[in-house]
Amino acid sequence: QVQLMESGGDVVRPEKSLRLSCETSGFRFNSYVLHWVRQAPGKGLEWVTFISADGTSKQYTDSVKGRFTISRDISKNTVYLQMDSLRSEDTAVYFCVREGTHYDFEYWGQGTLVSVSS
Amino acid sequence: DIQLTQSPSSLSASIGDKVTIACRTSHSVNNYLNWYQQKPGKAPKLLISLASNLQSGVPSRFSGSGWGTEFTLTISSLQPEDIATYSCQQSYSLPWTFGQGTNVE
Repeated sequence: QVQLMESGGDVVRPEKSLRLSCETSGFRFNSYVLHWVRQAPGKGLEWVTFISADGTSKQYTDSVKGRFTISRDISKNTVYLQMDSLRSEDTAVYFCVREGTHYDFEYWGQGTLVSVSS
Repeated sequence: DIQLTQSPSSLSASIGDKVTIACRTSHSVNNYLNWYQQKPGKAPKLLISLASNLQSGVPSRFSGSGWGTEFTLTISSLQPEDIATYSCQQSYSLPWTFGQGTNVE
């Protein structure tokens, strides 16, 4: 079965960096688009970034452009989110998501919490 | 960016009630509108894609409809396990955006 497992969440100070990982299994890794979606405490869902199946195309929401970088390693079936220059407003649970057939968010990981605080 | 507005923001219903949640988009998204269910402390679950396509394993009491800018999620007979927050999401244009969520109590 399809599984996505995030790790790397932590408490960090503003302007610091953090790298999240999402290990996947149960599907052909290089055939699917992968996303990161976040949810601030008590708030709604926010799409952050995606990477295409072949890794050549990436898009970001405006608030993280230039600070966050998504990448994927086919040898490890893992997608990463490098987060630099973190801000308090980046505090959220970060979900790794596999896209479905209709540009939907079909499979979700359990999420990993990132807390940015001085 | 396409804005999504859900109504109501929260609702209280009894078991067996019919529940309807609306989602309005600021620009037409054709039928690229998806619905998710989220329970506290859990990841969201895809219920409906392309406005009306029920995902495999989702009970038939859930249904979706709409086109363009007006969409609806309906639960025909509310069950205890349906107590959750429901969110709509458009996949018509980047950035993908979500509604603010509707809390069903």
